[in-house]
Amino acid sequence: AQSVTQLDSQVPVFEEAPVELRCNYSSSVSVYLFWYVQYPNQGLQLLLKYLSGSTLVKGINGFEAEFNKSQTSFHLRKPSVHISDTAEYFCAVTPTNYGGSQGNLIFGKGTKLSVKP
Amino acid sequence: DGGITQSPKYLFRKEGQNVTLSCEQNLNHDAMYWYRQDPGQGLRLIYYSQIVNDFQKGDIAEGYSVSREKKESFPLTVTSAQKNPTAFYLCASSIGPNPYNEQFFGPGTRLTVL
Repeated sequence: AQSVTQLDSQVPVFEEAPVELRCNYSSSVSVYLFWYVQYPNQGLQLLLKYLSGSTLVKGINGFEAEFNKSQTSFHLRKPSVHISDTAEYFCAVTPTNYGGSQGNLIFGKGTKLSVKP
Repeated sequence: DGGITQSPKYLFRKEGQNVTLSCEQNLNHDAMYWYRQDPGQGLRLIYYSQIVNDFQKGDIAEGYSVSREKKESFPLTVTSAQKNPTAFYLCASSIGPNPYNEQFFGPGTRLTVL
């Protein structure tokens, strides 16, 4: 079974400051990793995903994440945040093996990013 | 524009009533999903469907039912057997069931039991 831990439930930060949202996972098999963003009262939007290859993944809105297999982490970073980045961010994993049943997404509990002027 | 629509946006239910949440997609996706979101709990999978006329239980299927009679539609019924149905419900779809396929999400339905 897989599990995802987002280490911070809330992260307040000032505008134009850098931010890192932390995600650790547990799995006995290889996984794909995802970061989604949710704006208030809306659905989720994919920010970026790691499937294979380079461990540094760039996504939309200036976000990037680095996959660290030895530390089982997939932290999300942005060098300079904007007010519009205020949202909830979810890390998710799914096993890479596809044996006829859906490799369903397992989500962390989310991190609320609050960007202050 | 292609996308996923969910209706209604807000839904109020009295205890003991069944309610049905609508989810429609025009992305020509084979796979569809229903998630439940509670504050501070992330998303949990209720049901998923890889193809028309087939669906599987997710992690928290008790008290819910679904159907998949058409490729574009995947309605969720919250039955009176669901003990704590107040939550935000999200529908998603992906081009296929392979785990690397991106899931696209609808805007959600907020269900409140009075």
